[in-house]
Amino acid sequence: GQNIDQPTEMTATEGAIVQINCTYQTSGFNGLFWYQQHAGEAPTFLSYNVLDGLEEKGRFSSFLSRSKGYSYLLLKELQMKDSASYLCAVTDSNYQLIWGAGTKLIIKP
Amino acid sequence: TAGITQAPTSQILAAGRSMTLRCTQDMRHNAMYWYRQDLGLGLRLIHYSNTAGTTGKGEVPDGYSVSRANTDDFPLTLASAVPSQTSVYFCASSEGVSGTQYFGPGTRLTVL
Repeated sequence: GQNIDQPTEMTATEGAIVQINCTYQTSGFNGLFWYQQHAGEAPTFLSYNVLDGLEEKGRFSSFLSRSKGYSYLLLKELQMKDSASYLCAVTDSNYQLIWGAGTKLIIKP
Repeated sequence: TAGITQAPTSQILAAGRSMTLRCTQDMRHNAMYWYRQDLGLGLRLIHYSNTAGTTGKGEVPDGYSVSRANTDDFPLTLASAVPSQTSVYFCASSEGVSGTQYFGPGTRLTVL
């Protein structure tokens, strides 16, 4: 079966750095997405990786290793507004998006 | 630009009643999707449409139906609601089948 694993919850301190990991086993691979979802709101797009390596976008970076079925989202200089759930999703060989359950990130002052 | 709109924002529905959740996008995206999101579970795909006039079943299609008469609208119908359909429903769209998906604000549905 297809599976996306990410930690259920993480806690970090304002101003620090946090890394949220995602591992996947899917039938084929056509790209990996990270979304941010604040409580009670819709998911919003953060990043997309289709080739191995690091994609940097401001305070957020996303890394992909296709051979290991592994990605991480790196958040730097954490702010209180970064408190949210972070969703990892993989596009499989049928171009269906398979979603992880999400990682709830709690930022403490 | 409005992006994607959904209606209603929330609804309480008696079991056995029917209901249509509305979704409209103004981005001229070809593909549209309906998801449900339940606590502790990832987004689960109910139905999708790769282009106007076509629809397909997702992971959890039972009890739901969709239509795609035009590019902009993708309504989701519950023919006879059951309590297990209590959830938050998100509509999304993407330019192509593998493109970035953009989400509407969601509909919170409670079936009693």
